[in-house]
Amino acid sequence: DADVTQTPRNRITKTGKRIMLECSQTKGHDRMYWYRQDPGLGLRLIYYSFDVKDINKGEISDGYSVSRQAQAKFSLSLESAIPNQTALYFCATREDRLSTEAFFGQGTRLTVV
Amino acid sequence: GENVEQHPSTLSVQEGDSAVIKCTYSDSASNYFPWYKQELGKGPQLIIDIRSNVGEKKDQRIAVTLNKTAKHFSLHITETQPEDSAVYFCAASNGNFNKFYFGSGTKLNVKP
Repeated sequence: DADVTQTPRNRITKTGKRIMLECSQTKGHDRMYWYRQDPGLGLRLIYYSFDVKDINKGEISDGYSVSRQAQAKFSLSLESAIPNQTALYFCATREDRLSTEAFFGQGTRLTVV
Repeated sequence: GENVEQHPSTLSVQEGDSAVIKCTYSDSASNYFPWYKQELGKGPQLIIDIRSNVGEKKDQRIAVTLNKTAKHFSLHITETQPEDSAVYFCAASNGNFNKFYFGSGTKLNVKP
């Protein structure tokens, strides 16, 4: 089983709908991240969390919200999806403040029509 | 803020040849530079990294070089194999490892 699991793997939704992407990890890491990947733009940080009480905005947080339900779970929500939120979304973890390596999930491909 | 540019966007090489991917960064405060490999249908995975206090680092067939003066760093893959085919991302961080600035990616195709 993967250490960082994202569900769903693929999702098509309509404009205006609320959608939640979920991430769970078995690595026991404190820090969790949500990234968005668009063709030709690399990965951009949406939100990150140090623990259940510490949520931080990344560079492109507008239109998104997150919830850290437990150390192992970090969800990303699109309150009212729009077509330009069509992208590949990745969850990632880091062990602690001094760790450099990020461990990524397999990604969720979201299409907003 | 930091701006990381990556070239080329696609690279096709013959098996056994070498491949070089180049990145430039803008923020002189950046001091940590990882490279991630993303295979089809998978998330990115760290393959090598370098800190600003060294100029070169090697790990078997892959190496990374850093020129702080020119603000660029490169990934070198020697004796390429078909399993090296993937998308490669460079990134930069100023020591705040919560914030990485990624390049736009290079799709490497190794032809058998």
